[in-house]
Amino acid sequence: GAVVSQHPSWVICKSGTSVKIECRSLDFQATTMFWYRQFPKQSLMLMATSNEGSKATYEQGVEKDKFLINHASLTLSTLTVTSAHPEDSSFYICSASRLLAGDTGELFFGEGSRLTVL
Amino acid sequence: GQNIDQPTEMTATEGAIVQINCTYQTSGFNGLFWYQQHAGEAPTFLSYNVLDGLEEKGRFSSFLSRSKGYSYLLLKELQMKDSASYLCAVKDSNYQLIWGAGTKLIIKP
Repeated sequence: GAVVSQHPSWVICKSGTSVKIECRSLDFQATTMFWYRQFPKQSLMLMATSNEGSKATYEQGVEKDKFLINHASLTLSTLTVTSAHPEDSSFYICSASRLLAGDTGELFFGEGSRLTVL
Repeated sequence: GQNIDQPTEMTATEGAIVQINCTYQTSGFNGLFWYQQHAGEAPTFLSYNVLDGLEEKGRFSSFLSRSKGYSYLLLKELQMKDSASYLCAVKDSNYQLIWGAGTKLIIKP
């Protein structure tokens, strides 16, 4: 159990276009999902915390108008990179925790989405 | 500030044992996680420690000393597929996960 699916796995787009990445919890309800960005040879950087039915909480330095996050249901969160530029090229990963008795609070990660902006 | 330190890279031989250390300085402590991340893939959960001591899970073990702000991940009987980055993460007093930069483990035959 505790499967998180992310789509698309790979996306190449032209500079100035927008890209939407979907993150779904397949077998559990996730009231909170997390969006991370990871540049090559670097660790995970938390971008924002996505709460179902409310506005996302963005980390310092992350532009909320550029990285639009929507968490409309308990199983789906989306990240839209608006007006993408080459410097936005990165590996974007979503995650969720499952709040069941006995759980450690570990995060279950999606497969990640590699964005390349030309 | 909050800080997690782990070696950038380690090399070990197939069949051997390797210990990856992690030291942390965080505002509060609500558990320490180890994740494995293969290149180009998302992290996968390995272990969780919230009390002092050793947690063993097959070939992998994780140790925690809260008084020293220290943990290690021990990998036994190394296999080539263990070549990956190992991420240490601490949950602070606000239950926020603070991530280390990861240790790239290279296994040689």
